[in-house]
Amino acid sequence: DGGITQSPKYLFRKEGQNVTLSCEQNLNHDAMYWYRQDPGQGLRLIYYSQIVNDFQKGDIAEGYSVSREKKESFPLTVTSAQKNPTAFYLCASSIAPAYNEQFFGPGTRLTVL
Amino acid sequence: DAKTTQPNSMESNEEEPVHLPCNHSTISGTDYIHWYRQLPSQGPEYVIHGLTSNVNNRMASLAIAEDRKSSTLILHRATLRDAAVYYCILRDLAYSGAGSYQLTFGKGTKLSVIP
Repeated sequence: DGGITQSPKYLFRKEGQNVTLSCEQNLNHDAMYWYRQDPGQGLRLIYYSQIVNDFQKGDIAEGYSVSREKKESFPLTVTSAQKNPTAFYLCASSIAPAYNEQFFGPGTRLTVL
Repeated sequence: DAKTTQPNSMESNEEEPVHLPCNHSTISGTDYIHWYRQLPSQGPEYVIHGLTSNVNNRMASLAIAEDRKSSTLILHRATLRDAAVYYCILRDLAYSGAGSYQLTFGKGTKLSVIP
């Protein structure tokens, strides 16, 4: 079955530690995205990638980093510079950057203790 | 960016139709109207999109006002699995910058379905 997988579903880290969230898709999509969602709020774009080896900052990129070395993978690192990292993180992909439909993964809930 | 306004919450009885409204009075001519929904603790799911004409798919129908300043998502027979937060989103696909790539989610409408 084609889709997007994110792992792990729940992640706990101590303050000051970097942590990397995994996102993999087997839909052969060119574009991938990372969003952050806080309780009771909508989603906010962190980074997006239109194609392999290219990525752009979204609205709230500070304290985060990404890489896109393979078409199917778009990992997100939450660094210690991110002041309030506890949130629900969602990865998405689409056939092309401006394509109408984005497909979302199940999300990773990160809690920093 | 053009913004949308939705009610915070709505209730529906199971197996009855549901009409979820969205106001977008500052919509531009190239803004597409998108609807996504998010079930608890899951990622959002695409529902439907349209530009000017009404649209139907297997999940829902989208009715767009003639002046495009409002739209309504119609679920023809609500089931318990339709209980979710529904987001109405505008995307300007004529624009090639980051604004056309991201989905700008507001707080949406939380739909409760009563058995």
